[in-house]
Amino acid sequence: QVQLVESGGGLVKPGGSLRLSCLASGFTFGDFFMSWIRQAPGKGLEWVSYISSGGSTIYYADSVKGRFTISRDNANNSLHLQMNSLRAEDTAVYYCARDYGYFELWGRGTLVAVSS
Amino acid sequence: EIVMTQSPATLSVSPGKRATLSCRASQSVSSSLAWYQQKPGQAPRLLIYGASTRATGIPARFSGSGSGTEFTLTINSLQSEDFAVYYCQQYNAWPPSWTFGQGTKVEIK
Repeated sequence: QVQLVESGGGLVKPGGSLRLSCLASGFTFGDFFMSWIRQAPGKGLEWVSYISSGGSTIYYADSVKGRFTISRDNANNSLHLQMNSLRAEDTAVYYCARDYGYFELWGRGTLVAVSS
Repeated sequence: EIVMTQSPATLSVSPGKRATLSCRASQSVSSSLAWYQQKPGQAPRLLIYGASTRATGIPARFSGSGSGTEFTLTINSLQSEDFAVYYCQQYNAWPPSWTFGQGTKVEIK
């Protein structure tokens, strides 16, 4: 069926790095724009990063610019988020989603916890 | 950045009644407004896009209205499964700087 499945979350120390992945299935992944959205515990939603269908156009929220890198591998139906210089405030559930401007398909999320 | 403000923060409604949720944008977003429902431990689910178009599979009791800076989500005849947190989101800005409201929790009265 049509789905997105995130992985790669975990506990990391401040200043550390983590790489999230999102595996797509049930649709032609390379036809769709994608985004990462995060949600801190008990808080609202925050858009993090966008990548165009071919990967040539990329945008980031100011809060992660210079620290996070989004990428995609259309041959393997996967989306990635490389997160460096992690801070306590990056602690959140990270979702990948199909992006039409609005987000019409979401994964279940992966939890990233940044703590010493 | 376009700031989205939702009201009220919490709405207490009896099953079978109507819920009316508001979302205001700090500047015009035209009709580039979406609504989502989120239940505990779950990902958000798209309800409405284009301010008033229901997403696939969304029941007709959910309706959206508004344009510019003022938007409303109406849920008629609330069912038990409708008690959740609802978020609005604008997608008018380009380059992408999509922003969400802080959410409205609809709880059982």
